[in-house]
Amino acid sequence: GAVVSQHPSRVICKSGTSVKIECRSLDFQATTMFWYRQFPKKSLMLMATSNEGSKATYEQGVEKDKFLINHASLTLSTLTVTSAHPEDSSFYICSATPHGGILSSYNEQFFGPGTRLTVL
Amino acid sequence: AQSVAQPEDQVNVAEGNPLTVKCTYSVSGNPYLFWYVQYPNRGLQFLLKYITGDNLVKGSYGFEAEFNKSQTSFHLKKPSALVSDSALYFCAVRRNYGGATNKLIFGTGTLLAVQP
Repeated sequence: GAVVSQHPSRVICKSGTSVKIECRSLDFQATTMFWYRQFPKKSLMLMATSNEGSKATYEQGVEKDKFLINHASLTLSTLTVTSAHPEDSSFYICSATPHGGILSSYNEQFFGPGTRLTVL
Repeated sequence: AQSVAQPEDQVNVAEGNPLTVKCTYSVSGNPYLFWYVQYPNRGLQFLLKYITGDNLVKGSYGFEAEFNKSQTSFHLKKPSALVSDSALYFCAVRRNYGGATNKLIFGTGTLLAVQP
């Protein structure tokens, strides 16, 4: 149980285009989803916290107009990188916290496999 | 300020030898502590967690971690390393204040290299 998927796993796009990354909780409902960015050989940087039905909370220094987050249902959150530039190239990882039930104990986060974004 | 420290960027160990990956934390209150492993171009996989109870926590793939409150440490250990254990390991702490949005604070990661 507690499987999180991301789509696509890898995307290459041209500078100036927008890219949407999906994060889905496959076998549980997620009250909260988190979006992280990871640079090569670096730790995870939390970008934003996404709560179902409300606006995302962005970390300091993260441009909310550039990284649009939508959490339309308890199983899906999307991250859209708008007008992508080469400096946005990175590994983006989402995680999800279960809503209710035994999995919700301690609000543990379950991570997706990540999306490699390359902007040319 | 809340923080997690992994003092070693890389740990090298021979296959069959015991391994330790160090982690110390600084969080007010009682923390929830986690270890995750990341293989190349993959997301994070959960290894183990400490919430309360026994200080020695056993997790996946034969890993265990010892919670030491006085030293504010949560070192990851394995009695006998395998080459397949080679990966990037992250220690994380979650602030325990209830509610639905408890953020994880990650360490900088330690690359474990197990030589055959």
